[in-house]
Amino acid sequence: QSALAQPASVSGSRGQSITISCTGTSSDLGSYNRVSWYQQQPGKAPRLMIFEVTKRPSGVSNRFSGSKSGNTASLTISGLQAEDEADYFCCSYAGSRTWVFGGGTKLTVL
Amino acid sequence: EVQLVESGGGLVRPGGSLRLSCTGSGFIFSEYSMNWVRQAPGKGLEWVSYVGFDFSLIDYADSVRGRFTIFRDNAQSSLYLQMNSLTDEDTAVYYCVRGNDWAFDNWGQGSLVTVSS
Repeated sequence: QSALAQPASVSGSRGQSITISCTGTSSDLGSYNRVSWYQQQPGKAPRLMIFEVTKRPSGVSNRFSGSKSGNTASLTISGLQAEDEADYFCCSYAGSRTWVFGGGTKLTVL
Repeated sequence: EVQLVESGGGLVRPGGSLRLSCTGSGFIFSEYSMNWVRQAPGKGLEWVSYVGFDFSLIDYADSVRGRFTIFRDNAQSSLYLQMNSLTDEDTAVYYCVRGNDWAFDNWGQGSLVTVSS
């Protein structure tokens, strides 16, 4: 159950797009289309932003999109806004009702 | 509105025990799997444990297996985590989380567990 690999930080200017990568293994992320992404604002609980690789829960802006290729998933945020500044965590189902998270990426909006 | 409210956190000595509770409302508790996810201070998220809607499936992260026990009472819309043999590495905010479509769609506010002598 090793953590998925994410960049520690990314940054972008308002209005631009950024992509956060999340790399796992063939035993977890590469085996299942069950990748989810979470946004966590300081002092708050995480919020689900993407599930099953590409799906958005109701209420999540369509500026957020997800994809996956092989053992790597990605979260793209387009039209960056100040309120997007937060920590982002990826998560993958790893079989047998277990899950593994990424280490988290701090997004700074310049 | 879905709500998950945790309780039971606090300060405990190494080797001690603690039981966390979580009460759900705003949804049919018995129809959803439930999980505990924790976050050490300044660190990332770690999935801890899962229980299926009908108790048929339960699993744990390797880091807590044999020390933690998850259980639920659907009649009371409640989820529990019994934590034994605690170490300082268990210090974290523990979130009660609803499972849905292989993701975690609703989170409680978290309960802080501090293991320290």
